[in-house]
Amino acid sequence: AQTVTQSQPEMSVQEAETVTLSCTYDTSENNYYLFWYKQPPSRQMILVIRQEAYKQQNATENRFSVNFQKAAKSFSLKISDSQLGDTAMYFCAWYGGATNKLIFGTGTLLAVQP
Amino acid sequence: NAGVTQTPKFRVLKTGQSMTLLCAQDMNHEYMYWYRQDPGMGLRLIHYSVGEGTTAKGEVPDGYNVSRLKKQNFLLGLESAAPSQTSVYFCASSNPTAPRKETQYFGPGTRLLVL
Repeated sequence: AQTVTQSQPEMSVQEAETVTLSCTYDTSENNYYLFWYKQPPSRQMILVIRQEAYKQQNATENRFSVNFQKAAKSFSLKISDSQLGDTAMYFCAWYGGATNKLIFGTGTLLAVQP
Repeated sequence: NAGVTQTPKFRVLKTGQSMTLLCAQDMNHEYMYWYRQDPGMGLRLIHYSVGEGTTAKGEVPDGYNVSRLKKQNFLLGLESAAPSQTSVYFCASSNPTAPRKETQYFGPGTRLLVL
């Protein structure tokens, strides 16, 4: 069975600094995708970034980038120039092409301090 | 284009009562999903549907039923609510024929409290 592990329940970062959130996963599939979702206090699930497993190049979306290490099954999220609006719960998720299911980690609560 | 909407936003039930949560999407997506979110556990898949008239069990289906009579709607039913079903429920949809077919779009969530 596929699993997604986020080992950091909570993290804190100063405004304008950089923070990295960790995620590891376990799968036997070759065709899969990885995601980071942001959940602010409003509870809305917002897609931050996606990575296709067959692509070696790390995905980037403005201040958000990932470090995808396929062999190590690691998928970390780097947030640069942190802003107060980045305060949220962040979920790492895995999607398998064979199962068509999205598996979530338990989340990391990020607090950006002024 | 409202995306994915959920009704109601918040509900309090007494143990044993029944209710239906409604999810609607206006993106013509084929796939729809129901998740529950509990503290410290992330989101877990309850049931899903790959098309009108079809449903399938997810990771935690017990105590729930679903129906997909229309493509744009996916209903989640609780026949006899239990305190263990206190949770936040999210609906999502995706388009399996789109370039980013694996990307799911989420509704705003329904908070359910069972006393």
